Amino acid sequence: DTAVSQTPKYLVTQMGNDKSIKCEQNLGHDTMYWYKQDSKKFLKIMFSYNNKELIINETVPNRFSPKSPDKAHLNLHINSLELGDSAVYFCASSQGGLAGGREQYFGPGTRLTVT
Amino acid sequence: AQKVTQAQTEISVVEKEDVTLDCVYETRDTTYYLFWYKQPPSGELVFLIRRNSFDEQNEISGRYSWNFQKSTSSFNFTITASQVVDSAVYFCALSEAPLYGNNRLAFGKGNQVVVIP
Repeated sequence: DTAVSQTPKYLVTQMGNDKSIKCEQNLGHDTMYWYKQDSKKFLKIMFSYNNKELIINETVPNRFSPKSPDKAHLNLHINSLELGDSAVYFCASSQGGLAGGREQYFGPGTRLTVT
Repeated sequence: AQKVTQAQTEISVVEKEDVTLDCVYETRDTTYYLFWYKQPPSGELVFLIRRNSFDEQNEISGRYSWNFQKSTSSFNFTITASQVVDSAVYFCALSEAPLYGNNRLAFGKGNQVVVIP
C-alpha cells in the first residue's frame, strides 16, 4: 500500500496553462505539506496544512493555491504557469501534535516541466 | 532562522569504503529536531533518522551510523562498507520547536554520494 501518493508523476505543459497536482496519504496523519525541489536539488517548503487548516504559507506566488478537502488530501493548483515553475513537487505528511518535530513521509514527487 | 549546511556537494567512494557526510546546523531554539533523508536516483525521499536536541546518543542502524554533537552543532552521518545501492543524494534537515502542526523542515543542499563498484 502506498503511504503518500501523488498524481500525476510527470506533467508537461505550456506556459500560461493551469494545472493541478493531487496528493493523498493513507497514514492517518493530520498534517500535510508541499515542497518544491529545484534543478539543483534544493528542497524548500511551500505550504503546510493541519486538519485542513493552512498553517505554513511561505513566500510563494499567488498563482499557487493549495486545497485540502479533508485530512488525507492536499492538492496543489497552479495558475498561469511560468518557465520558472519547472521543478519536482513533493507532497509529504506527518503526525502533528504538541510534541512536534515529527518525521515527514514523502510522496514520489511530480516532475513539472513548463515549455 | 534555521539553517543547515552540507558543505560537501559530491563525494565519490570505492565500494566497501566508509563515507562520512557532514551536517552543520544553526538554530536559536533549545528544542529542535534533526533528520536525514535519502534520495536515490529514482527520486523518492526516504526518511532515515530523527533525533531531538536532548538526545545526543549516537545511533547505529546496520551500516548507517549518526554522530550528534551539540557542542559543534553537527549531526554527521557515516555509511560503513559502502555499496552501490548507497549511491544517492542525502539530505540533512532541521525542524525547530514547532507550534502545533507547524513542522517545517529546513533542508541542507544535499550530499551526492557516488559509490564506484
